[in-house]
Order: sequence, then C-alpha cells, then structure tokens
Amino acid sequence: AQSVTQPDIHITVSEGASLELRCNYSYGATPYLFWYVQSPGQGLQLLLKYFSGDTLVQGIKGFEAEFKRSQSSFNLRKPSVHWSDAAEYFCAVVARGSQGNLIFGKGTKLSVKP
Amino acid sequence: SAVISQKPSRDICQRGTSLTIQCQVDSQVTMMFWYRQQPGQSLTLIATANQGSEATYESGFVIDKFPISRPNLTFSTLTVSNMSPEDSSIYLCSVVLQRPTDTQYFGPGTRLTVL
Repeated sequence: AQSVTQPDIHITVSEGASLELRCNYSYGATPYLFWYVQSPGQGLQLLLKYFSGDTLVQGIKGFEAEFKRSQSSFNLRKPSVHWSDAAEYFCAVVARGSQGNLIFGKGTKLSVKP
Repeated sequence: SAVISQKPSRDICQRGTSLTIQCQVDSQVTMMFWYRQQPGQSLTLIATANQGSEATYESGFVIDKFPISRPNLTFSTLTVSNMSPEDSSIYLCSVVLQRPTDTQYFGPGTRLTVL
C-alpha cells in the first residue's frame, strides 16, 4: 500500500540553525511530491512540489527539497531557520494521473529556540 | 493559486446535531476535496466533491454521515450529521486548479468541537 513516512515527530532547532525534515514514501512509481506547512490554528500552505526534472526544488519562505529516487526520499531543508518557521510540516504524495487522493505523512512539529 | 474560504471557521456543537461547512473558491476549479484532521493527527481524505453528481467517498466514510454537495465549479458543502464527540476535528476543503499536476490548495479549515 502507498504510504508516507515522516520519522521525526518533533524537532527543535535554534534560530539561525539549519533544518532538515525527512520524508520517505512507498509507491509503485514515482508520484508527485509535496511539502505543506500548517501554522497553529491555520490551514495548510503549499511550500513546494516536485513533478519531474531537476531533483532540487525551491519553494517559498527559503525552503528547498531534494528528491532522491534511489532512497524514495523527499527531504525538506532550510539553511537558516527563523522563529516564524515554528509550525507543523507535512509531506504528501499523489499518484500521477490519479483522481487526487493525497496521501499525507503524520507530520513533523518544528519548534524554534531563540 | 486561488483564494479559498470556509465557513464557519470554528463551531461548538451539541451531540446529535448536524453542521454544514461551506467552501468557496474565487475561481472555477476542476476538483474539490474534503479532508478531516483529527486532533494531533494528519489529514485523511473524506471524499471527492463531484460537480453535478454524487460525491466519491473513501473507505470508512459514508454519505449518510457526511453528505456533500457541489452545485457549481466554485462552491461545495460538507455536512457532518448526527455528531458525536469523535467528530471533533478540523475539516478542510482543497481544490485542484488544473490537471494534470494535481497540486491541491487548501482552505483555512473549520475547527469543530462536539460536546
């Protein structure tokens, strides 16, 4: 069955430090890949997406993610975290050509220390 | 992207009652979906709202409990019927603006508490 794994439930980093959030997927073929962010009490905002081509994708708010086919991974990175980045981050996948059933990971909660 | 609004943003309801949640988009969209996010959990797809026909429900969700309407390409409603405390969740609608990229954009969500 298709699945998305975010192995880190909660991560705490210091402001200004680098960040990497892990995401692994299990799928028959390479799906479309997404990262969303959910701030407290808010809906989901799309950070970035990967469909094809360059495996390093840039998103909003200074985030980037790298697709590694050999590792079935799509890790999210940011070189310098800001206090406003504290939120919950969800990795999600959808099968190419599907009717849109996004499969979400369980999320990683990011806390930022001053 | 698109501007997606949901009403109400939050509500507190009594057991046994029903609540209808509205989702409005500022442009015509090809697909609309409804998700549930239970407390401390990830998102689970409830159903695909089909324009002009019955919604397509995922396993574990039924029309009697979660009736959905989609009268046009910019609007949909989700009703949570005969509520129990287990229905306390955030309900989110999402839209796909164009195929085949299948990028979904989410509304702000409706936070429902059932007492």
